Amino acid sequence: DTAVSQTPKYLVTQMGNDKSIKCEQNLGHDTMYWYKQDSKKFLKIMFSYNNKELIINETVPNRFSPKSPDKAHLNLHINSLELGDSAVYFCASRHTGGAETQYFGPGTRLLVL
Amino acid sequence: GESVGLHLPTLSVQEGDNSIINCAYSNSASDYFIWYKQESGKGPQFIIDIRSNMDKRQGQRVTVLLNKTVKHLSLQIAATQPGDSAVYFCAEIVTGTASKLTFGTGTRLQVTL
Repeated sequence: DTAVSQTPKYLVTQMGNDKSIKCEQNLGHDTMYWYKQDSKKFLKIMFSYNNKELIINETVPNRFSPKSPDKAHLNLHINSLELGDSAVYFCASRHTGGAETQYFGPGTRLLVL
Repeated sequence: GESVGLHLPTLSVQEGDNSIINCAYSNSASDYFIWYKQESGKGPQFIIDIRSNMDKRQGQRVTVLLNKTVKHLSLQIAATQPGDSAVYFCAEIVTGTASKLTFGTGTRLQVTL
């Protein structure tokens, strides 16, 4: 069974388009995260939601809008895609009050042309 | 801002040898540390963690050492196997801050036969 899943796995699109990435976890966790990994493998947090409430919002352009319909899902919508948005986006989750360990999804590879 | 780790270096070891991967962190307030392994095309996978009140923790074939005096972490892998080839990241957390992981830039481990 997949613990943290993301769709799509690959996303190739043109500049200026709007796209969404979806994340679901079946671990019963209540906190979810989005990370961006650049071409040099550097991982940086973007957002975090706890029980559908935004708790971390790093300095991310407002073209990026996360949405959490329930605590098992955290989606990421990106408006007006730019070349610099090309990266691998990872979703992660953890159980608040439990171990600090975050469990990561397989990633979504976004390429903006 | 705070930074963890060095530019992505590569460590090449022979199968069967021990590997030591190092990481420097800069936030003295960090009280929890995690090592993650990222294989090609996959998301980061938890290996081992350590709290700041410990200086050593052992797992199966892996040991993490923490030196708070010089803000240094290391991951030791015994009897390195080809399946250990991956990029390894250290990550630090200041607990109580929504568990925001700050990642280092990673070390690529190449296991030669």
